[in-house]
Amino acid sequence: KAGVTQTPRYLIKTRGQQVTLSCSPISGHRSVSWYQQTPGQGLQFLFEYFSETQRNKGNFPGRFSGRQFSNSRSEMNVSTLELGDSALYLCASSIGQGVGTEAFFGQGTRLTVV
Amino acid sequence: GESVGLHLPTLSVQEGDNSIINCAYSNSASDYFIWYKQESGKGPQFIIDIRSNMDKRQGQRVTVLLNKTVKHLSLQIAATQPGDSAVYFCAEARDTGTASKLTFGTGTRLQVTL
Repeated sequence: KAGVTQTPRYLIKTRGQQVTLSCSPISGHRSVSWYQQTPGQGLQFLFEYFSETQRNKGNFPGRFSGRQFSNSRSEMNVSTLELGDSALYLCASSIGQGVGTEAFFGQGTRLTVV
Repeated sequence: GESVGLHLPTLSVQEGDNSIINCAYSNSASDYFIWYKQESGKGPQFIIDIRSNMDKRQGQRVTVLLNKTVKHLSLQIAATQPGDSAVYFCAEARDTGTASKLTFGTGTRLQVTL
């Protein structure tokens, strides 16, 4: 069974640009969550999608957005990139929603903003 | 507000010894706690979880202890092996039925010496 796939693995963007990251969950999983990981702030929750609906949102500015498609694949978009957006962006999928359903993480997309 | 912290940023143990990684949390409404292991270049990997109505749970070579009185969580790894070297995160969540938002601690790096 394939795991969570995130593309691309590495990305370098210039300040002010926008970026789109992709996440393909494990087959059959309907919940996808996104996290930002930085050395200074650790792992921080961005948002969660279930059946194409955003169920939960973290404390990030509106420049961070996401969506989920009918096949459960998800994308997140960051507009007007700032240097501080450099981070590892992790996607996690789970079969259902709510706590107690194990979340499986992908390897992440390493975004560097220069 | 919610916060999950760790007592030690780095823990060094000898191969074969037992490891204990500690975590303090501040949200008394948290229902669910998870330990994750993150190896270099990989996403977090689920180790073990525990609900707030339990105080101990055992897995293969791992035990999680929960002390709700002092809001303390610990992960015990028996007979630590070189492959256990990684960063360990505790995470907590509140069961709202739909939310899967995890709040992560800052992480403890476990170094296993031969």
